[in-house]
Amino acid sequence: QVTLKESGPGILQPSHTLSLTCSFSGFSLSTYGMGVSWIRQPSGKGLEWLASIWWNGNTYNNPSLKSRLTVSKDTSNNQAFLKVTSVDTADTATYYCAHTRLTTVALDYWGQGVMVTVSS
Amino acid sequence: DVVLTQTPVSLSVTLGDQASISCRSSQSLEYSDGYTYLEWYLQKPGQSPQLLIYEVSNRFSGVPDRFIGSGSGTDFTLKISRVEPEDLGVYYCFQATHDPLTFGSGTKLEIK
Repeated sequence: QVTLKESGPGILQPSHTLSLTCSFSGFSLSTYGMGVSWIRQPSGKGLEWLASIWWNGNTYNNPSLKSRLTVSKDTSNNQAFLKVTSVDTADTATYYCAHTRLTTVALDYWGQGVMVTVSS
Repeated sequence: DVVLTQTPVSLSVTLGDQASISCRSSQSLEYSDGYTYLEWYLQKPGQSPQLLIYEVSNRFSGVPDRFIGSGSGTDFTLKISRVEPEDLGVYYCFQATHDPLTFGSGTKLEIK
């Protein structure tokens, strides 16, 4: 049974760095074909794919966030991480992590999401 | 970036009737491996999105056969036959063929 749960600071100030953790079970990010993606959703708005990290360490970022995104993983502790630098109010959103696999590339299991507010 | 245009923006359907949502892509979504990575998700009120359909027409585990995905190239459709109360929410199409991956803007399904 695949489960994922996001955690983060809740609120942070503009220009700071947002650090999010995705803790998961039911799969390993060291297993061939497994991946974790990050998606965000401003309140009342649509979904935006941010980044993906794969079992082999390959990462893919959405260029709309330029170089502000970093994704990483800790295979031993079944965690994936997202860092967003230089945040501003436009980064206020609910952030989700989701499991994906190479065979389908679908986001087949999602976490409950964590709300992040950027405010001074 | 690939733009996915969903229509209609909102849909009001009587229980038991059929609903149909269109997703049109600005580029063909057929990948070089022959697969088309077009997916459909439903976000019920207050919940995370959930996968319904992957690779255009494959239902994810546990998804009722009332949900039918079809299409090819740039035109895709999700049909929901015999709409039930638990089907209400926002439906999103999503493409994973081209970087960056992109979502459609969503279609809100309401029950009359």
